[in-house]
Amino acid sequence: LAKTTQPISMDSYEGQEVNITCSHNNIATNDYITWYQQFPSQGPRFIIQGYKTKVTNEVASLFIPADRKSSTLSLPRVSLSDTAVYYCLVGSANTGGFKTIFGAGTRLFVKA
Amino acid sequence: GAVVSQHPSWVICKSGTSVKIECRSLDFQATTMFWYRQFPKQSLMLMATSNEGSKATYEQGVEKDKFLINHASLTLSTLTVTSAHPEDSSFYICSARDLRDRAGNEQFFGPGTRLTVL
Repeated sequence: LAKTTQPISMDSYEGQEVNITCSHNNIATNDYITWYQQFPSQGPRFIIQGYKTKVTNEVASLFIPADRKSSTLSLPRVSLSDTAVYYCLVGSANTGGFKTIFGAGTRLFVKA
Repeated sequence: GAVVSQHPSWVICKSGTSVKIECRSLDFQATTMFWYRQFPKQSLMLMATSNEGSKATYEQGVEKDKFLINHASLTLSTLTVTSAHPEDSSFYICSARDLRDRAGNEQFFGPGTRLTVL
């Protein structure tokens, strides 16, 4: 399974755009990149998933360069409620046998 | 869609007792479910992979005789913490993959169960 590296923590202010980058140098050909959000005492919540280039949904964008060795989660105009831990996961049924290993995650703190 | 529930949401028990935690996929079928444990301020740690109709696969360092996993149907997996001790106090989270997701790239997480062993 590809190992991921993210910043331990980030601070931001309300209304700003937040970009969290994840490194996954040994990503495999079949691997997808998935980001989850977790609030205290809750299960992780799916944010976005992508394989290459750019993916956008109603809450975030995911930028993946051509070499796929990193990815960037972009949260537009964050609010206080976006304060959470964000996890970047890399894997697929082929490389991980369906299982998912969580890294340390990035603790985002949004200030007023 | 794709909702996973856990029961109970929290439980307090005495040391030495056993506790059962249920994980259900409410609107989809899941051949594979996962159990995680999370200590305060730490990431999720995968404990085991539960496959319907077969024995669970445990991660290294996880005692299979202490954490009994049963996946008897396509919508239910249970985790039983046997002879619980205070060090087993943690947040237990399950997740499931939709049977129809052949690529296996997305999993849906339950809300978690807070276990406190006195």
